[in-house]
Amino acid sequence: NAGVTQTPKFQVLKTGQSMTLQCAQDMNHNSMYWYRQDPGMGLRLIYYSASEGTTDKGEVPNGYNVSRLNKREFSLRLESAAPSQTSVYFCASSEWGPQVDGYTFGSGTRLTVV
Amino acid sequence: KNEVEQSPQNLTAQEGEFITINCSYSVGISALHWLQQHPGGGIVSLFMLSSGKKKHGRLIATINIQEKHSSLHITASHPRDSAVYICAADGGATNKLIFGTGTLLAVQP
Repeated sequence: NAGVTQTPKFQVLKTGQSMTLQCAQDMNHNSMYWYRQDPGMGLRLIYYSASEGTTDKGEVPNGYNVSRLNKREFSLRLESAAPSQTSVYFCASSEWGPQVDGYTFGSGTRLTVV
Repeated sequence: KNEVEQSPQNLTAQEGEFITINCSYSVGISALHWLQQHPGGGIVSLFMLSSGKKKHGRLIATINIQEKHSSLHITASHPRDSAVYICAADGGATNKLIFGTGTLLAVQP
């Protein structure tokens, strides 16, 4: 089925470890996003990519890096994980400009940093 | 003050009741999104509105651009409607969303 695929679904890291969250979409969307969701707070934008080859910081970019590998894939890297990065991470995609279906989200990655 | 505010934060209803969730925003938008998230689950886009009203099945979303307010209505609610409903303001230029904190809805049989 068409959509946004995120891996892994769950991950436990030790403080200081690094990891990459993978995201791929097969809808030929130009724009892709990484959000984090924390209890009591709305989703917050970490980084986004308006089109292949471009990336920009969102609201909470510190401690993260991203790569827009091609039109389909947008990865999020934690170079040195910290307990404050314990969260649920969502990747999303959309086409540039208003779309009837809006955004499409991945199923999320639940990350715990101990 | 948050740029996107939802009310109520929590809502419990009996099966069959008519439900309204409200969203107010203070930023300029090109569209307003309503999303649904089941416990432990992913996020599903329900509606994207730039004016007027949209209806999908038992769900109705309205928006008043002048008053910067949107509502999500659920008619004949059912326990499977239990979820968190999130509104998000779309600024348009870069398609970045500003999210409300969500409304947790529990529909009891």
